[in-house]
Amino acid sequence: NAGVTQTPKFQVLKTGQSMTLQCAQDMNHNSMYWYRQDPGMGLRLIYYSASEGTTDKGEVPNGYNVSRLNKREFSLRLESAAPSQTSVYFCASSEPPAGRTDTQYFGPGTRLTVL
Amino acid sequence: QKEVEQNSGPLSVPEGAIASLNCTYSDRGSQSFFWYRQYSGKSPELIMFIYSNGDKEDGRFTAQLNKASQYVSLLIRDSQPSDSATYLCAVMPPGAQGAQKLVFGQGTRLTINP
Repeated sequence: NAGVTQTPKFQVLKTGQSMTLQCAQDMNHNSMYWYRQDPGMGLRLIYYSASEGTTDKGEVPNGYNVSRLNKREFSLRLESAAPSQTSVYFCASSEPPAGRTDTQYFGPGTRLTVL
Repeated sequence: QKEVEQNSGPLSVPEGAIASLNCTYSDRGSQSFFWYRQYSGKSPELIMFIYSNGDKEDGRFTAQLNKASQYVSLLIRDSQPSDSATYLCAVMPPGAQGAQKLVFGQGTRLTINP
């Protein structure tokens, strides 16, 4: 039982390049989330997926797209990377059904640098 | 005004003492409140949640909620060096249907000095 996995762990991009961050969970969770974490800013929600087949914007969605490929996988795409997207990206999932006291389980994170 | 505010610290506490971490939130209708711990370079992990006014205890940890004052705190008794980490307060605002759309504070960095 691996929990939440993310690939890659580290990535360096040049401005304007695109890439996809991958996330998978093996806990049969319905809900999945993408966050970014910047120094002094805490975690900010980018996009989330309440269940397979649905996705919604979070607090900071601009410059990102997501795909809920199936129940296990939720990917985050940067179409044209910008230096402002340099951050640590965390994927998380929560138990079904998502409720007010559910635990979110986080992946190990992807450290992205955009030059 | 940020929706969830924490003192970013660093907060330095001697080993064995009580560490007190505070968090305020702006949306009075917020439903649930969470404390996550994050070690340097690692991912956040849930310590406790609370949704009713009052205290909730779990081992050395006590969460306190005062909805009238829009204030939530975490007390760590008998602090250990292994408690040194960043503590993130997270709030679930009203109207979050079907998913747990948490709003996080910026985190408080806690250092326990042996």
